[in-house]
Amino acid sequence: EIVLTQSPGTLSLAPGERATLSCRASQSVSSSYLAWYQQKPGQAPRLLIYGASSRATGIPDRFSGSGSETDFTLTISRLEPEDFAVYYCQHYGNSRWTFGQGTKVEFK
Amino acid sequence: EEQLVQSGGEVRKPGESLKISCKASGYNIANYWIAWVRQMPGKGLEWMGIIYLRDSDTTYSPSFQGQVIMSADKSTNTAYLEWSSLAASDTATYYCVRHRRYTRLTGDVWGQGTTVIVSS
Repeated sequence: EIVLTQSPGTLSLAPGERATLSCRASQSVSSSYLAWYQQKPGQAPRLLIYGASSRATGIPDRFSGSGSETDFTLTISRLEPEDFAVYYCQHYGNSRWTFGQGTKVEFK
Repeated sequence: EEQLVQSGGEVRKPGESLKISCKASGYNIANYWIAWVRQMPGKGLEWMGIIYLRDSDTTYSPSFQGQVIMSADKSTNTAYLEWSSLAASDTATYYCVRHRRYTRLTGDVWGQGTTVIVSS
């Protein structure tokens, strides 16, 4: 079973700063099946990135994804007030999914 | 509009049964799987399993195998998640989400969530 470990647990930043979120897999995974989601309180998650680096429809280009094998990164180039939320990575290969435990991006 | 609409919140007692639903509309269900995701209060996302509405082909997460039953009614484009005997630990919000078959695209449409509270 693949385990995804996200770091840090909490990221304290100010609007305009750059956010770098990490997702590490317990074994090498196909980058084709790595996604990132944003979740705000009381809302369903929203897809940001799929296939490790493809932005979902309507997602601003300040969000970008990268990585391969066991190390993946979500970067938010300049934080907007609406970006403060919890972010999850997900692996979804072979009809089996795994989520990371989440990184909270909070106001500094 | 492509959407997944889930049934409303439920309050049940331990030991009771429950079936919640997720209705797909605005897209061709033949091209997508539906997954169920649990989120316990204040916690992260947990994948429960995935089902293909056209033939009810199902894969369960090992953590949820034997704990829930996933089913589908292709005539109404609806997926179901069922418990035969609820426990307090089943208190959570349950989401359905689609996954496009044979592509890298996943999770682009989510249901609004169904909150289940199990309390005596």
